[in-house]
Amino acid sequence: RKEVEQDPGPFNVPEGATVAFNCTYSNSASQSFFWYRQDCRKEPKLLMSVYSSGNEDGRFTAQLNRASQYISLLIRDSKLSDSATYLCVVAHGSGNTGKLIFGQGTTLQVKP
Amino acid sequence: EPEVTQTPSHQVTQMGQEVILRCVPISNHLYFYWYRQILGQKVEFLVSFYNNEISEKSEIFDDQFSVERPDGSNFTLKIRSTKLEDSAMYFCASITPSSYEQYFGPGTRLTVT
Repeated sequence: RKEVEQDPGPFNVPEGATVAFNCTYSNSASQSFFWYRQDCRKEPKLLMSVYSSGNEDGRFTAQLNRASQYISLLIRDSKLSDSATYLCVVAHGSGNTGKLIFGQGTTLQVKP
Repeated sequence: EPEVTQTPSHQVTQMGQEVILRCVPISNHLYFYWYRQILGQKVEFLVSFYNNEISEKSEIFDDQFSVERPDGSNFTLKIRSTKLEDSAMYFCASITPSSYEQYFGPGTRLTVT
């Protein structure tokens, strides 16, 4: 079983749509959870951390369900600039310095 | 905004040759990492480095790989005898313990022919 699993997509949505991505992880000892964004042939960049209480950053909402080992990302009012690959990422180890385990990513294409 | 830098941006080498990929982490960061991404595949952890020694390494990081922090700023990844399957994008990352974000460099695209 993969450590972090995501639906690779692609998700093709019109501008203004709401889109949701899901992710599951297998290691119940995982400590920290993130969504990163990766543009084509670029480095991953942190989009947001994910907390059990749920957190929101503008049009983006992330949720973590530790019992189900499930992470989600909701993007509201999609923009053309949201087109990218969204990486579900889990950190192992203590504190904030553990290695990152990446999912294969979910590709989003927002069309006019 | 401080950033992680990597050189070269693209390296082409012949199978069996040694390559050194260079990274300059953010200056006050203490933990350093190398990841790689084969084209079309996920980002994979290679090695983490703290206090001048390897903290953790993956199965990918075999005897052909080594890391070094030769001075106060550079962090290098050496591949002793490259194989075709080493062709990938190699990302360096760094973090300070007071943060939760690993900052990634722009990557070095390694092509082994």
